[in-house]
Amino acid sequence: GAGVSQTPSNKVTEKGKYVELRCDPISGHTALYWYRQSLGQGPEFLIYFQGTGAADDSGLPNDRFFAVRPEGSVSTLKIQRTERGDSAVYLCATAAATGPTADTQYFGPGTRLTVL
Amino acid sequence: KQEVTQIPAALSVPEGENLVLNCSFTDSAIYNLQWFRQDPGKGLTSLLLIQSSQREQTSGRLNASLDKSSGRSTLYIAASQPGDSATYLCAVSETGANNLFFGTGTRLTVIP
Repeated sequence: GAGVSQTPSNKVTEKGKYVELRCDPISGHTALYWYRQSLGQGPEFLIYFQGTGAADDSGLPNDRFFAVRPEGSVSTLKIQRTERGDSAVYLCATAAATGPTADTQYFGPGTRLTVL
Repeated sequence: KQEVTQIPAALSVPEGENLVLNCSFTDSAIYNLQWFRQDPGKGLTSLLLIQSSQREQTSGRLNASLDKSSGRSTLYIAASQPGDSATYLCAVSETGANNLFFGTGTRLTVIP
């Protein structure tokens, strides 16, 4: 597609439930990032994929959070036993490996997660 | 840990005015610095990227400068328009890492 897409755009769930958030990258972009943005704050890094592997997961807050990218394209962020503090906008960004825009991260519109 | 600060948190200016947004970072070992724009309820749009070896970048009415040694960057917007109203975020990446460290943003309102 022309840009990074994320689904769903909004997700409301109950405390303790499991959720999956999806990111479809720009075609050909090998680098993929997940960030979390709380109200009034800048995005905070969660995890970075280069191809299929998680090259850096140091930003994941705890073991309830997990992300996969099995074929090096679409990525899914999975949150188990959701807590009210997980409520935020989850942003996905992708970047090309080479070329004049290799260092620029292109962001999707985000998924707004609300845990009741 | 890298910390990025943006001042002011909010700014209102009349249409046509030139303005400057400020960004500072604590660790000068950066790889590059990016300025983003975020509209309410939307994702981020990259405006300008400055490599650590560069001093400034320009795109249309926007000019971003970088002083790596002092840990500062500015985003200059010339002849502001109501359509420039948005939150502007500064982010740095560090040498040897890939993720971005973001500031909390400056919310700009341009009054017609």
